[in-house]
Amino acid sequence: QSALTQPASVSGSPGQSITISCTGTSSDIGGYNFVSWYQQHPGKAPKLMIYDVSNRPSGVSNRFSGSKSGNTASLTISGLQAEDEADYYCSSYRINSTPWVFGGGTKLTVL
Amino acid sequence: EVQLAQSGAEVKKPGESLKISCKASGYTFTTYWIGWVRQLPGKGLEWMGIIYPGDSDTRYSPSFQGQVTISADRSISTTFLQWSSLKASDTAMYYCIRKPDSKNWFDPWGQGTLVTVSS
Repeated sequence: QSALTQPASVSGSPGQSITISCTGTSSDIGGYNFVSWYQQHPGKAPKLMIYDVSNRPSGVSNRFSGSKSGNTASLTISGLQAEDEADYYCSSYRINSTPWVFGGGTKLTVL
Repeated sequence: EVQLAQSGAEVKKPGESLKISCKASGYTFTTYWIGWVRQLPGKGLEWMGIIYPGDSDTRYSPSFQGQVTISADRSISTTFLQWSSLKASDTAMYYCIRKPDSKNWFDPWGQGTLVTVSS
């Protein structure tokens, strides 16, 4: 059982927007603005897409955005493209435990 | 360019020992943390542990404490993950990751090392 809860799958058509949720507790997501998101294409290493809830690293498309409300963080991808089809993982700092925890991952299918 | 280059795939038998590596380049090795993440076949990511090469401060996830050892050699900018006695359940892809000090994200990731443990 993963420390953070994500939906197993989401899907959308090209051009649409989708949102992936990541639910934790007050010990991690709810207590700190230290949520990050990673994209993993099949057979590839994960890539940082969002850090500190809503910041994009240099080079990441502005179609990717992050937010947080209470114990739930969200990743939104707008203007879906075929290349966005991948697995997405959230991560958060957690107090009094393993310092960092991951979600179980969400498979995004672009229809 | 910041890069983490991992050692190649390994095939081992249960009970054997193993040490895999992650060589850093493109930045000052001693000023960033290097961690390890496990991905079981077809599964999600699990944080294993992390080391600060500057002073060898090392932290482990409770799930991996005592099961693996993380070390670093500053002279060759390389971090290691080792097992003294492998189990079939250690079969997985292992990624090394770089973490800025006092920050809570991981970038970049190494390309991964596939470890297969089978009799």
